[in-house]
Amino acid sequence: GENVEQHPSTLSVQEGDSAVIKCTYSDSASNYFPWYKQELGKRPQLIIDIRSNVGEKKDQRIAVTLNKTAKHFSLHITETQPEDSAVYFCAAVGDDKIIFGKGTRLHILP
Amino acid sequence: EAQVTQNPRYLITVTGKKLTVTCSQNMNHEYMSWYRQDPGLGLRQIYYSMNVEVTDKGDVPEGYKVSRKEKRNFPLILESPSPNQTSLYFCASSFRQGGHEQYFGPGTRLTVT
Repeated sequence: GENVEQHPSTLSVQEGDSAVIKCTYSDSASNYFPWYKQELGKRPQLIIDIRSNVGEKKDQRIAVTLNKTAKHFSLHITETQPEDSAVYFCAAVGDDKIIFGKGTRLHILP
Repeated sequence: EAQVTQNPRYLITVTGKKLTVTCSQNMNHEYMSWYRQDPGLGLRQIYYSMNVEVTDKGDVPEGYKVSRKEKRNFPLILESPSPNQTSLYFCASSFRQGGHEQYFGPGTRLTVT
């Protein structure tokens, strides 16, 4: 079946440094790639997304890049802050189904 | 306030006792979906619905049923729950089919003993 692989599963970075989370997908029909953040005990919430006709998108400290040829997309967080500590999920979306990656637990170290 | 609601939030039940988890959204969204979240496995889609009376299987539909009789409601039914269905369940909705932001409900923690 269709699959989304997400790496790493755990990431620890020093406050102020950058964090990068990578995902690859298998379904070439996927055309929408959202990233969700889930804080402890809370529901996932969208933080940024990108569509297949765009290579890069930025929103303040967060950016996402997409390489459709390689079926690869990444989340970049710069100048990390304590409130960035959470689990992050990537997803690949076709016409109807949504496939999530297994998540990355990001720890921001003081 | 625009929101997705789920009930109950917590449920402990026994094997084989039928249960229903309700989900409701007030945003007039067409697309609704159920996920289960298990440690190390991320979010896995159980069923989704692109509109009223239209439902389709996600990746892990076995042991679950859904219905979409009204646009705002999308209940998840476990006819005969088993311990392997112990999980955290999220309902979500979006404006249209998958390529739009998913708005998640608060989650339902289900334990089947």
